[in-house]
Amino acid sequence: DAKTTQPPSMDCAEGRAANLPCNHSTISGNEYVYWYRQIHSQGPQYIIHGLKNNETNEMSSLIITEDRKSSTLILPHATLRDTAVYYCIVSLNFNKFYFGSGTKLNVKP
Amino acid sequence: GAVVSQHPSWVICKSGTSVKIECRSLDFQATTMFWYRQFPKQSLMLMATSNEGSKATYEQGVEKDKFLINHASLTLSTLTVTSAHPEDSSFYICSARMGQGYDEQYFGPGTRLTVT
Repeated sequence: DAKTTQPPSMDCAEGRAANLPCNHSTISGNEYVYWYRQIHSQGPQYIIHGLKNNETNEMSSLIITEDRKSSTLILPHATLRDTAVYYCIVSLNFNKFYFGSGTKLNVKP
Repeated sequence: GAVVSQHPSWVICKSGTSVKIECRSLDFQATTMFWYRQFPKQSLMLMATSNEGSKATYEQGVEKDKFLINHASLTLSTLTVTSAHPEDSSFYICSARMGQGYDEQYFGPGTRLTVT
């Protein structure tokens, strides 16, 4: 079963930062937090992952709270192409993924 | 990045027939592949984990005799839906992982199955 909870939907203006929250209060010490997104009728796309430190890559940043019970994915400058369902998953080192319901991000012009 | 392909991308079959879906890792060797099913407007549901050269491990509630998984090589896994029925109509997605360590899980584009 999924161990994460996310808001069902969020809106964001194009060009602004999109901050997507995720709660994972039962995460264990050796589980990673992964973020993927799925654009309609496609396979999920990897975004970023982390254990306890904040992470940044070319498209996003991942902020994990000190107690690791929640995290936030940040898309610094959202574009219309970022409209998708975003999934937060906790798992042991890319082992089995149990997807939750995700957050539908709507980027609006 | 690594690429995972699926074939076919969509298939329509008649009730009672069997359908085979292929999942290939194109530029890397995948020690583990996963199969998911996604119904319309729902999230992905893990069906089974497939390790090269060994039997697949199925999630609770997934019928192993109905969804046959074969992972015969490090670049190919197949899912066969046997005696398909309309309720098996779904979007089937595979993913592949290179091996132990901090490796991504790469997803295929999915296969749309419609059973009439």
